Amino acid sequence: DAGVIQSPRHEVTEMGQEVTLRCKPISGHDYLFWYRQTMMRGLELLIYFNNNVPIDDSGMPEDRFSAKMPNASFSTLKIQPSEPRDSAVYFCASGLAGGGAYEQYFGPGTRLTVT
Amino acid sequence: RKEVEQDPGPFNVPEGATVAFNCTYSNSASQSFFWYRQDCRKEPKLLMSVYSSGNEDGRFTAQLNRASQYISLLIRDSKLSDSATYLCVVNLHGGSQGNLIFGKGTKLSVKP
Repeated sequence: DAGVIQSPRHEVTEMGQEVTLRCKPISGHDYLFWYRQTMMRGLELLIYFNNNVPIDDSGMPEDRFSAKMPNASFSTLKIQPSEPRDSAVYFCASGLAGGGAYEQYFGPGTRLTVT
Repeated sequence: RKEVEQDPGPFNVPEGATVAFNCTYSNSASQSFFWYRQDCRKEPKLLMSVYSSGNEDGRFTAQLNRASQYISLLIRDSKLSDSATYLCVVNLHGGSQGNLIFGKGTKLSVKP
């Protein structure tokens, strides 16, 4: 079975532009997570969904960030307008509920550079 | 105080050495604990869960000390392929996947 799929793998954009990151979770997983990783701050949870419903978006830095999950097999993270401080690796992860099974399966990440 | 703290390293060890990493967490109500491994420019992957009684998986041993709020990972007979960053992960409240807090990681470099 395919793992978590993210696109694009690399994105270079100019400040002020809109950026859309995409994620396809593992089929059958009911949790989906968006993380951001930087050297300074490590891995930070931005938002997560359970059964396509946003549960906790307290990690979203500000209103410039938005995430959607229109169905069980697709999610987007949008940054509008982008700023240089948004440069980071953005990971999507998915997982299953219940039984204390907290393994999260990460996608390969999108490396975003905002100039 | 940070929620999950780790020594960033790097730990530079020769092949065959035994190396130990520690991690401390601030919330005494934390329910469950894990070690993830992240290779350079790759995604994190679950290495092992950490149980109260301690647990072993081959060359890897994880231990939890709830009283002192720290978690450890011991790697015996280290291999070149063990070179990676090891992330300590704490589930704050239990019952939900969404409460995982990741440490910044400890970098291990195993040399020939």
